[in-house]
Amino acid sequence: DAGVTQSPTHLIKTRGQHVTLRCSPISGHKSVSWYQQVLGQGPQFIFQYYEKEERGRGNFPDRFSARQFPNYSSELNVNALLLGDSALYLCASSFRRGQDYEQYFGPGTRLTVT
Amino acid sequence: DAKTTQPPSMDCAEGRAANLPCNHSTISGNEYVYWYRQIHSQGPQYIIHGLKNNETNEMASLIITEDRKSSTLILPHATLRDTAVYYCIVRVAFNFGNEKLTFGTGTRLTIIP
Repeated sequence: DAGVTQSPTHLIKTRGQHVTLRCSPISGHKSVSWYQQVLGQGPQFIFQYYEKEERGRGNFPDRFSARQFPNYSSELNVNALLLGDSALYLCASSFRRGQDYEQYFGPGTRLTVT
Repeated sequence: DAKTTQPPSMDCAEGRAANLPCNHSTISGNEYVYWYRQIHSQGPQYIIHGLKNNETNEMASLIITEDRKSSTLILPHATLRDTAVYYCIVRVAFNFGNEKLTFGTGTRLTIIP
């Protein structure tokens, strides 16, 4: 089975531009989460979507937005890019196993803002 | 979610067991212990999780102390491919739809040939 896929793998943008990152969850997974990982730190939670509804939001500015589509794929949008937005953006999908769940991450999109 | 404390780095000889400790002294009764690892520039990989009983799968074993205030991840026969940053995360389960994982800085495990 294919894992979580993300596109593009690498991206270079200029300050002030906007960017759209895409994620396809594992087949059958209805929940998608987004994380930002800057160099040297652990991933930081940005959003979680389940059944197209936002279920959680981390401490990120309104420049960050996301949505989930009927096929459970998701997009993360970042407007007015800043140098500090340079990071690895990770998408994770999850499924419920009994009363717990397991979450699987994609390979990430490396965003560089110049 | 309870905070965790891990050593910043560890070394282990190839072929030996790697034992990675994690302290979570403020863990609540309904919080699980999860372990993930991240090989350089890849997405984190789920390893194992548990509530209070010891757990084992094809990748690792998880030993949780009786008071649940600490745990140890054991990689029984470490290989060079186990070199990675290992994250111990404590979170509430039974809350599907709120699946935020709070990562710390983890333990950088280096396997020595």
